[in-house]
Amino acid sequence: SQQGEEDPQALSIQEGENATMNCSYKTSINNLQWYRQNSGRGLVHLILIRSNEREKHSGRLRVTLDTSKKSSSLLITASRAADTASYFCATGGGMDSSYKLIFGSGTRLLVRP
Amino acid sequence: DAGVIQSPRHEVTEMGQEVTLRCKPISGHDYLFWYRQTMMRGLELLIYFNNNVPIDDSGMPEDRFSAKMPNASFSTLKIQPSEPRDSAVYFCASSSGLAGKGETQYFGPGTRLLVL
Repeated sequence: SQQGEEDPQALSIQEGENATMNCSYKTSINNLQWYRQNSGRGLVHLILIRSNEREKHSGRLRVTLDTSKKSSSLLITASRAADTASYFCATGGGMDSSYKLIFGSGTRLLVRP
Repeated sequence: DAGVIQSPRHEVTEMGQEVTLRCKPISGHDYLFWYRQTMMRGLELLIYFNNNVPIDDSGMPEDRFSAKMPNASFSTLKIQPSEPRDSAVYFCASSSGLAGKGETQYFGPGTRLLVL
């Protein structure tokens, strides 16, 4: 079963704009991870934020985590056409997922050149 | 390291046939995961192994699906007999530790299965 619900399901922006994707989850977690999937490829890990962290940066990526609201957001600044992909949040260390990640439904991002 | 290797990359078969998907995890990774991805259901965890032992197979759809890991460098996912509703992309992933402790998973390129 999927833990996370992502919003929006699809997002289309112009190159150079910022893209924000949101993820909500249901149970307590130890960490939340974001992955990217290019069309026809496997998922690639982008960034991890632990439950005791509120914000984390990596290059053009900024992730926030609000455990009280059970939600996270991924911001991609100054987007590029190469950022076009699907983005998934995945929760780790929930009640039944000490070993495994539980993935959300994903956001499809299109960056128009 | 070459990353997680999966074969075949594409498989087209007829209903009722046996399908075997193969995976070679990253060397040194103790955890191996099999996922299925479809438009309708998203990314579903089917089964995972720790040190070659199946830990949780609650995601395996039914008895037609089986998975093995005979050694640390090889795993198979078998569907027998296959049905059109099994059509999906099947991913193998490996990791060196627990997701709950912040370990990330490394995914293979996937096998795109089409059952006619």
